[in-house]
Amino acid sequence: GQNIDQPTEMTATEGAIVQINCTYQTSGFNGLFWYQQHAGEAPTFLSYNVLDGLEEKGRFSSFLSRSKGYSYLLLKELQMKDSASYLCAVMDSNYQLIWGAGTKLIIKP
Amino acid sequence: GAVVSQHPSRVICKSGTSVKIECRSLDFQATTMFWYRQFPKQSLMLMATSNEGSKATYEQGVEKDKFLINHASLTLSTLTVTSAHPEDSSFYICSARDLGREVNEQFFGPGTRLTVL
Repeated sequence: GQNIDQPTEMTATEGAIVQINCTYQTSGFNGLFWYQQHAGEAPTFLSYNVLDGLEEKGRFSSFLSRSKGYSYLLLKELQMKDSASYLCAVMDSNYQLIWGAGTKLIIKP
Repeated sequence: GAVVSQHPSRVICKSGTSVKIECRSLDFQATTMFWYRQFPKQSLMLMATSNEGSKATYEQGVEKDKFLINHASLTLSTLTVTSAHPEDSSFYICSARDLGREVNEQFFGPGTRLTVL
């Protein structure tokens, strides 16, 4: 079956760095996405990885290792507004997104 | 660019009534739109894939006669929850893929919170 695993909840301090891991097993691979979702709102796109390596975009970076079925989202210089759920999603061979359950990130002052 | 709107944002209805939710791609054409449902503290659950000009593809366990999907144009898809019951109360989100972009990301509408009394 297809499976996306990510931690349920993480806590970090304002100004610090946090890494959210995601492992996956899917039928085929056409890219891995990270989305941010604030409570009561729809997800917003953060990053996309289809090749191995690190993609940096401002305070957020995303890493992919296809051989390991592994990705992480790195958030630097954490701000209180970064408190949200972070969803990992893999596009399978049918170009359908398979979603993880999301990681709730709590930022403390 | 790549904005998706959804209407209404909130709806409260009585049990047994039908509710229609609209999803529009405002600045791009979307041959494919997706309908998701999200219960509190859970991840997104794909309900169906809506294809312009053809029948929607429903995920296993989703009743196609209860959740009617119409994708009549390249910018509009509608989801009608027929004979809604309290267990249908949820956050319904649509998304669309802009085939003109290199990355296959999905752009999400703001969601519709349905409460069935």
